[in-house]
Amino acid sequence: GQNIDQPTEMTATEGAIVQINCTYQTSGFNGLFWYQQHAGEAPTFLSYNVLDGLEEKGRFSSFLSRSKGYSYLLLKELQMKDSASYLCASMDSNYQLIWGAGTKLIIKP
Amino acid sequence: GAVVSQHPSWVICKSGTSVKIECRSLDFQATTMFWYRQFPKQSLMLMATSNEGSKATYEQGVEKDKFLINHASLTLSTLTVTSAHPEDSSFYICSASAGTFTEAFFGQGTRLTVV
Repeated sequence: GQNIDQPTEMTATEGAIVQINCTYQTSGFNGLFWYQQHAGEAPTFLSYNVLDGLEEKGRFSSFLSRSKGYSYLLLKELQMKDSASYLCASMDSNYQLIWGAGTKLIIKP
Repeated sequence: GAVVSQHPSWVICKSGTSVKIECRSLDFQATTMFWYRQFPKQSLMLMATSNEGSKATYEQGVEKDKFLINHASLTLSTLTVTSAHPEDSSFYICSASAGTFTEAFFGQGTRLTVV
C-alpha cells in the first residue's frame, strides 16, 4: 500500500533550527512536496524534490533520499509565524499526490 | 506564485440544499484541478481530479452524484454539494496545476457548515 509517515507534533524554540522528517512508500515516485498550512487556511507550497540531495530556499531547505524513501524539511532561524502544520506529499506513478497527516510545529518564545 | 481564487470562503446552508463552490486560476491555465476535503486535524483527502473538458475522476468512496464537479474551462472548476447534510460539513480546498510536474496552487478553501 501507499503510506506517508511524519511526526504528529514537534516543538521548537524561536531562533532555533528544526528538522521535520518524512518517510514514504508509494507506487512509483515522481517527486516529494512540502507544504505549509496555517490553521484554517489552505496549504502553501514550500518545496519540490525529485533528485537526491538538498534544496535550499532561504530559511527553508528540503532533502531527499530516494533509495531510503526519506525526506526532511529543515527550518532555520525559527520565527513565531512558522507555527503551522507541515505536510509532506509524494507523487506516485499516476502523478497523484499521496499526503501525510501533517506535522504540527509549535514555536515557543 | 500563481493565484487560485476559491469562492466562497465560508458558507452555512440548511440541510437538503445544494451549495456551489468555485475555483478559478487567475493568471494561468489550469489543465488539471483537484478537489480535497479536510476534516479538523486531519490530512487532505483527495475527492476528485478533473481535466478541462472531460469528466472528473472520483476517488473511491466519493459519491459522484452528490459531489458534482464541472471543469468547463481552463480557468474555472466548480464543486456542487447536492442535498447537503450535516456530515458534509468540512473544509473543501481546490488546487490547480498547469501540468504534471508543476506545483499545485491552492485556493483559500471553503468552510462549509450544514445545519
